[in-house]
Amino acid sequence: EVQLVESGGGLVQPGGSRRLSCAASGFTFSSYSMNWVRQAPGKGLEWVSYISSGSNTIYYADSVKGRFTVSRDNAQNSLFLHMNSLRDEDTAVYYCARDIAELTAFDIWGQGTMVTVSS
Amino acid sequence: DIVMTQSPDSLAVSLGERATINCKSSQSLLFSSNNRNYLAWYQQKPGQPPKLLIYWASTRESGVPARFSGSGSGTDFTLTISRLQAEDVAVYYCQQYYRMCSFGQGTKLEI
Repeated sequence: EVQLVESGGGLVQPGGSRRLSCAASGFTFSSYSMNWVRQAPGKGLEWVSYISSGSNTIYYADSVKGRFTVSRDNAQNSLFLHMNSLRDEDTAVYYCARDIAELTAFDIWGQGTMVTVSS
Repeated sequence: DIVMTQSPDSLAVSLGERATINCKSSQSLLFSSNNRNYLAWYQQKPGQPPKLLIYWASTRESGVPARFSGSGSGTDFTLTISRLQAEDVAVYYCQQYYRMCSFGQGTKLEI
């Protein structure tokens, strides 16, 4: 079964850091580009970051640029999001999502992991 | 940045009737070299991640019922659900992937 499973969410203080992970299974992870998308409570979807299959191309939303870093380990079938200098407005469910093809629509999504930034 | 605007914000439709959701982009999503519109539609039910319905503006994802269809080109797009079923109650989002990625604000579909 094709699957993405996020982990690493939790409560973090403003200004703190957190690392999210996304474990992929059921497909050749190294062949697909990946994304992080977040959704604040009761709000819509916000794309956060993109990483190509070989990590050569990386993009970030302006709202997280300079604070978040996306990476991947193709040998471990894993995607990561390193989040620094967290703010209240970063509180959200964070989803990892697979591209159908590079820089296209997202055909597989994980169930999400909740990050709450609060003192 | 490409801004995606959906209308309406919410919609109530009777079972068996047609539902139409619109999406407008701040610039054209039509890539001239391949004549493709870089636009997708997603369905999200409460407590679940989004589910891909349509990509390239009109290509239905595998397993998506035929009552879902996408149309439009350039800056104006439409998602149509031809005969609404109870399980179609959800929030629907359009997404552009022409330049990076951005989503519409969502349309809540109710019966």
